[in-house]
Amino acid sequence: QSALTQPPSASGSPGQSVTISCTGTSSDVGGYNYVSWYQQHPGKAPKLMIYEVTKRPSGVPDRFSGSKSGNTASLTVSGLQAEDEADYYCSSYAGSPTYVFGTGTKVTVL
Amino acid sequence: EVQLVESGGGLVQPGGSLRLSCAASGFTVSSKYMNWVRQAPGKGLEWVSLINSGGSTYYADSVKGRFTISRDSSKNTLYLQMNSLRTEDTAVYYCASRYFDWKGAFDIWGQGTMVTVSS
Repeated sequence: QSALTQPPSASGSPGQSVTISCTGTSSDVGGYNYVSWYQQHPGKAPKLMIYEVTKRPSGVPDRFSGSKSGNTASLTVSGLQAEDEADYYCSSYAGSPTYVFGTGTKVTVL
Repeated sequence: EVQLVESGGGLVQPGGSLRLSCAASGFTVSSKYMNWVRQAPGKGLEWVSLINSGGSTYYADSVKGRFTISRDSSKNTLYLQMNSLRTEDTAVYYCASRYFDWKGAFDIWGQGTMVTVSS
């Protein structure tokens, strides 16, 4: 159950786009279409932003989008806003059932 | 309103035990997949345990044999019994549900409760 690999940081200016990668294996990301993404502001609980690779819960802006290719999933935030500055974590079903999270990416809005 | 509220965290010595609770409102705990997820200070999220609607339980290798997840339908509450605690178990513990039944997703989270294992 090794953590999924994410870049430690990403940044962009307001209005720009940022994409975060999440790399796993064929036993997790590559084996199932059950990748989700979470936003976490300091001192707060995580918030679900994307589920089943590409789907957005009600209330999540359509600036947030997800995709997957092979063993790597991605989260793109378009039209960056100040409130998007947060930590982002991917997660994948890994069979058995178990779940594995990513190492986390700190997004900074310049 | 759908809500989860954790309690029971605190300071415990290595080798000690602690039981966390997660009270649910707005839905029935026994009808949903319920999880515990933890976050060590300054670190990332780690899935800990799951109890499904059928009552089957599953654990991360790091806690297997030491932690036990359970639920009480009469109190609509989820529990995590933690035994043989280690310093590396120090973390904020969140309960999280699969309320909307989106596979692989944790859609409702509590505010978390801090567990500190230290002598």
